[in-house]
Amino acid sequence: AQSVSQHNHHVILSEAASLELGCNYSYGGTVNLFWYVQYPGQHLQLLLKYFSGDPLVKGIKGFEAEFIKSKFSFNLRKPSVQWSDTAEYFCAVMDTGRRALTFGSGTRLQVQP
Amino acid sequence: EAGVAQSPRYKIIEKRQSVAFWCNPISGHATLYWYQQILGQGPKLLIQFQNNGVVDDSQLPKDRFSAERLKGVDSTLKIQPAKLEDSAVYLCASSLDREWNNYGYTFGSGTRLTVV
Repeated sequence: AQSVSQHNHHVILSEAASLELGCNYSYGGTVNLFWYVQYPGQHLQLLLKYFSGDPLVKGIKGFEAEFIKSKFSFNLRKPSVQWSDTAEYFCAVMDTGRRALTFGSGTRLQVQP
Repeated sequence: EAGVAQSPRYKIIEKRQSVAFWCNPISGHATLYWYQQILGQGPKLLIQFQNNGVVDDSQLPKDRFSAERLKGVDSTLKIQPAKLEDSAVYLCASSLDREWNNYGYTFGSGTRLTVV
């Protein structure tokens, strides 16, 4: 069975600081990888996804993530965070057969102005 | 296009009562998912439908949870009887398979259930 680990449960940053959120997964087959964001009171939204090709993927709002197959990692990065990035971030892996997502436990990001 | 609609937004019930949640996916989306998100955790898949058939219900507690998607469009998730540990947000999502690579899932806003 696949699993996803997000090691940072709660991150507090000041505006303009750089962000990196860790995500590691375990799955033996071909995977698709995702980062979702959930702003306070809102539904889950897709930030970015990796299916194949260039392991550095760019998403919305200046976020990017790098897939490192040898490390089973898909870390999320942003060079300069804004107060509006305050949200919960979820890493997820999908097995390409069933197309069902397995989520990590999430990282709560708090950006202080 | 309209998003995934869920109702109600909030529900408070006593333990041992029953409750039902409704989901209307985006028009034309063949695949529908129900997820349970307990506070402080990531969403967990409960059941996946392809049209009106069940693809995966391995994590659905079938002694108390049931779900149906009779006409392959909207879906209902029921809990009977509810336990305190069922307090969570119940998320519905849908996807259009042939455009999966472009769009993936679309999630609804969820139903927040509190069991007291």
